[in-house]
Amino acid sequence: DAGVTQSPTHLIKTRGQQVTLRCSPKSGHDTVSWYQQALGQGPQFIFQYYEEEERQRGNFPDRFSGHQFPNYSSELNVNALLLGDSALYLCASSYNTGELFFGEGSRLTVL
Amino acid sequence: SQQGEEDPQALSIQEGENATMNCSYKTSINNLQWYRQNSGRGLVHLILIRSNEREKHSGRLRVTLDTSKKSSSLLITASRAADTASYFCALTGNQFYFGTGTSLTVIP
Repeated sequence: DAGVTQSPTHLIKTRGQQVTLRCSPKSGHDTVSWYQQALGQGPQFIFQYYEEEERQRGNFPDRFSGHQFPNYSSELNVNALLLGDSALYLCASSYNTGELFFGEGSRLTVL
Repeated sequence: SQQGEEDPQALSIQEGENATMNCSYKTSINNLQWYRQNSGRGLVHLILIRSNEREKHSGRLRVTLDTSKKSSSLLITASRAADTASYFCALTGNQFYFGTGTSLTVIP
């Protein structure tokens, strides 16, 4: 049984560009949450998707958007990248607000 | 704030010693979870304690919860070098809010 998979694992972008990160949840999980983790900090909640709808959102600007597909996989899109968007982006899946299962993350570097 | 705050920020111990880290919070919770993160990797769930529980064990882990003091502690007994990681508490309601973590270093 595959766990949570994220792609790409690493990517480098320049300021102003746009990026799309992808996540496949653990089998049987219907809820996907996205977190941003800056170096030396804890994960910060971006948003959560359930039944293809954004259910809750953290304190992130509209440049951060997402989508959930009928197969429960999800994408995180970030527009107009800033240097401060450089971070590890973590996807976590869950079922019925149980424990979170995390992927290994996508490391984004903005130059 | 809906997130927990871990204490200490960093902890360094010798292999075989016990490690204790604490989490304080300000809001009501449904349950509290502890996660571990190896450097640059995803987080791994360790243990969940519900708001009506006071203590829970899992292997070498012991978690306590004091809802009157809004605090929790994670004890790792007989630590090993492989326990070196960052540890986070997560407050869970509809969402999971993480603190800044405790960085544990176990010296062989």
